[in-house]
Formats: sequence, C-alpha cells, structure tokens
Amino acid sequence: DVVMTQSPLSLPVTLGQPASISCRSSQSLVHSDGSTYLSWFQQRPGQSPRRLIYKASNRDPGVPDRFSGSGSSTDFTLKISRVEAEDVGVYYCMQGIHWPWTFGQGTRVEIK
Amino acid sequence: EVQLVESGGGLVQPGGSLRLSCAASGFTFSSYWMRWVRQVPGKGLEYVASISHDGSEKYYVDSVKGRFTISRDNAKNSLYLQVSSLRAEDTAVYYCATQSRGSSFDVWGQGTMVTVSS
Repeated sequence: DVVMTQSPLSLPVTLGQPASISCRSSQSLVHSDGSTYLSWFQQRPGQSPRRLIYKASNRDPGVPDRFSGSGSSTDFTLKISRVEAEDVGVYYCMQGIHWPWTFGQGTRVEIK
Repeated sequence: EVQLVESGGGLVQPGGSLRLSCAASGFTFSSYWMRWVRQVPGKGLEYVASISHDGSEKYYVDSVKGRFTISRDNAKNSLYLQVSSLRAEDTAVYYCATQSRGSSFDVWGQGTMVTVSS
C-alpha cells in the first residue's frame, strides 16, 4: 500500500499566524491523465471529515481562501495563511490513485 | 439539501454481522462512485470499500476482503455495507461518502458506530 507520511503530527499555532503541514507519499501520485490525486481533509472535534483541497491545489466550494495546497509527485503541503479559532482539528492528506486509497496519520492543529 | 445519513450500527458479538445503510438526498446519487471509510475513535481514517456509480466495480481493503460486501440501490438512493465475521478490530465509526477525486463534490455522512465486543 502507498504510505502517506505527514509532519508534524502536532502543530501548536498562534491565532493569526501561518501554519504549514507536509505530506509525503511513498509513490508518485501523478495519474496517466496528468492529474495529481492528492486531497486534504479537515476534521474538527466531534465532526465528520470535510475535504478542503482536491487534485493537490484545488479548493473545494466554501473553503476559505486562507487554505492552499501545493506540491507535486510525492511531496505536498497544506498552508493556512492566518490561523483562526475554527481551524482547530486534525488534518489528513489522502492519495486517490493507488488502491487502496490511503490517508496520512493526521496532524493535530491547536491554538497556543 | 445535500445529505448522507448512515444507520445500522450497534453492538455486536465477535463473529456477528450487521448491515450498514447510507441514505443519500439532494444530489444525483447514481452519478457518483461511493465509499465507506472507518475511524477507530481517537485514531485516523481508513478506507474500507468503494463502489462504482452503477455497482459494476467494487474494491475492498485487504483487511475486510471476504467479510464485507459493498452494494448500492440507485432506485432507492442508498448505499450499503454488509459486515460479517466481525472482529474486535472492526470497532469503529463507519462513514459513507461520495468519491470524486477529480471534481469539486465531496460529501460525508455523520457516521454510524460499530462496536464488536462480547
């Protein structure tokens, strides 16, 4: 199975400051159709996961523009330009090209 | 309103079975691949199974092959997961969700808890 490795696993952040989460895959996530199938999910406490980013850098509808995704092949990053209180939760990357699709371990974002 | 609502979870003994259901509304269910993802409380997310929009293709994670069966009824806008030969390690919240890796449509249900214990 493709292994997705996130870092850091815990990220204390000051309100209004930027945050960055790294995700590395054990295999390339570039499909023969040219797309890169890497997604980012947010899971707030007590809630279901919610997708933020698809195809590495595309924001889902309704996702604030302070969230951005970047990267290619095996190295990806989720950035929050200015952390707000509602951003507290666990963030997961997920590859959608090699079955079984796999998630990273999760990165817990908390407010300092 | 776009919505997925799971049901059917509960407490079951090791070796037992359950049928999880997921009712879709507010979107054209028959147009989407669907998936089941589970989460042990306090732990990460694990893909369980996927099914194509017409039910002709099905994929399972190795740990559930031969024990779980994913299915759908497009006429009833419903997704199912038959879980059998349950083990303690199957204890988790089971989420149903759309599977659209390349488009801006991704919906998750609220989850249904399955507890395997004697």
